[in-house]
Amino acid sequence: QKEVEQNSGPLSVPEGAIASLNCTYSDRVSQSFFWYRQYSGKSPELIMSIYSNGDKEDGRFTAQLNKASQYVSLLIRDSQPSDSATYLCAVLDNYGQNFVFGPGTRLSVLP
Amino acid sequence: EPEVTQTPSHQVTQMGQEVILRCVPISNHLYFYWYRQILGQKVEFLVSFYNNEISEKSEIFDDQFSVERPDGSNFTLKIRSTKLEDSAMYFCASSGQISNQPQHFGDGTRLSIL
Repeated sequence: QKEVEQNSGPLSVPEGAIASLNCTYSDRVSQSFFWYRQYSGKSPELIMSIYSNGDKEDGRFTAQLNKASQYVSLLIRDSQPSDSATYLCAVLDNYGQNFVFGPGTRLSVLP
Repeated sequence: EPEVTQTPSHQVTQMGQEVILRCVPISNHLYFYWYRQILGQKVEFLVSFYNNEISEKSEIFDDQFSVERPDGSNFTLKIRSTKLEDSAMYFCASSGQISNQPQHFGDGTRLSIL
């Protein structure tokens, strides 16, 4: 059974701070990793994908991947109240075509 | 920007009835998916579809469920003999030319079984 784990939160950070979201996964052959944002009652919205070890930056977002530790994270710099949402980690392996989603971390950015 | 569209946005059905949820994936995408999310719970994979056949399905996707791509644009999920526990948000997603590309989600159909 492939598992993706995330702290459920809520994670509260003040506006302007860095929010750090973490995800671990159980399947060592996993090769593709994604972060989605989901506002309450809405569909998941893609933030970033990452396939190689190291960091990948896109605007205020940085994804970090460490396959040896089976760990992927998302940093949000200069957090804004509009970033308040649930952040979903999704993992895809090379044998299947489906995402395994983590339970999500609820982020609250306080003005 | 191209998007995945789903209809209806909300479906209310009596227990035991059949429902069909409809999706129009992004036009040049080749991989199609259905997920569900029970209120307050995580997003769960149901089925993936490629080259006009199911490529993978989860334990949730039993004989009660079926998918179809009846024409070049629509992708449907049929649920036969609905149960109360089928009440959930159902999301359709599609991805491009390679299966490991990001999946883009529609707005979802909220299914309420009475």
